[in-house]
Amino acid sequence: QVQLQESGPGLVKPSETLSLTCTVSGGSISSHYWSWIRQPPGKGLEWIGHIYYSGNTNYNPSLKSRVTISVDTSKIQFSLKVSSVTAADTAVYYCARATASGGWLYYFDYWGQGTLVTVSS
Amino acid sequence: DIQMTQSPSSLSASVGDRVTITCRASQSIRSCLNWYQQKPGKAPKLLIYAASSLQSGVPSRFSGSESGTDFTLTISSLQPEDFATYYCHQSYGTPQTFGQGTKLEIK
Repeated sequence: QVQLQESGPGLVKPSETLSLTCTVSGGSISSHYWSWIRQPPGKGLEWIGHIYYSGNTNYNPSLKSRVTISVDTSKIQFSLKVSSVTAADTAVYYCARATASGGWLYYFDYWGQGTLVTVSS
Repeated sequence: DIQMTQSPSSLSASVGDRVTITCRASQSIRSCLNWYQQKPGKAPKLLIYAASSLQSGVPSRFSGSESGTDFTLTISSLQPEDFATYYCHQSYGTPQTFGQGTKLEIK
């Protein structure tokens, strides 16, 4: 059974960089997309971006200038960095595995439990 | 961005009811539409992928369908554990986008 677990600071100061790591267990990091999705308190879901196990990335254009997603296949982990954070970046951050096929089939089949990151001084 | 307009935003229903939630895409997304269920304090759970394929382990009372840019999630007979918030998700365009959610409450 694949499991994902987010880790990282729960409190980040404005203008600093938010850093989270997702550790994958129970499965291989190969042949899947590894994504970050966030949810501000009481609001809906926003896709941040994903990385393929080979290292290819795709980001939400609204966040692209501030976001970096990387993968460490040896540790079976992938990471998120969001720079220059503001209160608007306060959210529950989820990591998720996406299964893709045929160039168009793509869905999030495994999710981490989520971690709340608050941006505040 | 592809806009996903989900309706209704909230819905009250009783155990045993048949419920339908709709998501309309602002442009063609082929069948690149998934449905998730989210309970308070929990991560979303995949129910339906590719518009109408039931994820393994999901009860058969959940089904999905499509007609052009309109997508529907149907729960044939509501069970107590189905009261939650439901989101549609399009994976056709970048950025991927979600509907705003439908909160299903007990009547």
